[in-house]
Amino acid sequence: DAGVTQSPTHLIKTRGQHVTLRCSPISGHKSVSWYQQVLGQGPQFIFQYYEKEERGRGNFPDRFSARQFPNYSSELNVNALLLGDSALYLCASSLGIAGYPNEQFFGPGTRLTVL
Amino acid sequence: AQTVTQSQPEMSVQEAETVTLSCTYDTSENNYYLFWYKQPPSRQMILVIRQEAYKQQNATENRFSVNFQKAAKSFSLKISDSQLGDTAMYFCASPAGIYKYIFGTGTRLKVLA
Repeated sequence: DAGVTQSPTHLIKTRGQHVTLRCSPISGHKSVSWYQQVLGQGPQFIFQYYEKEERGRGNFPDRFSARQFPNYSSELNVNALLLGDSALYLCASSLGIAGYPNEQFFGPGTRLTVL
Repeated sequence: AQTVTQSQPEMSVQEAETVTLSCTYDTSENNYYLFWYKQPPSRQMILVIRQEAYKQQNATENRFSVNFQKAAKSFSLKISDSQLGDTAMYFCASPAGIYKYIFGTGTRLKVLA
């Protein structure tokens, strides 16, 4: 079975632009979580979606939004990009809501560079 | 606030030797998993080992084992017979509420030939 997939692999944008990142979970998984990993730091939780509804949100501004589709894939959208949004964006999927007893499986990430 | 602390930013170990990476955490959950993830330069976050909090027995996966001290909220990772391929960033993760995990700042491990 394929693991979590993310697209694109790399992305370069300029300040003020908008970006959409995509994630396909492992087949059968209904939950997707998004994390931001700034260089040299651990991942920071952004969102969790389960059954197409937002179930959790981290401490990120409203410029960040996401949605989950009927096939459980997900998009992360970031508006009005800032230099500080440059990071690796990780997607993780789990069978149910991420938390005990469901573990998360991570994708390879999308590297976003904002110039 | 729920936190995860990894107090060793960088460590090095000679090939074939043993190294221990430390992690302390704080969570209000009763039943939970704790995780150690490995992130090599390829950046893929790979699960190394997990520990169920209600199990007293420490988890073991081949050369990787944990020392889980629930009362002390300590969760260290021991790597035995270190290999060059173990060179990576290692992150400890614990739950912060139902819907998310929080990660430590990571320990950069370098295995020396």
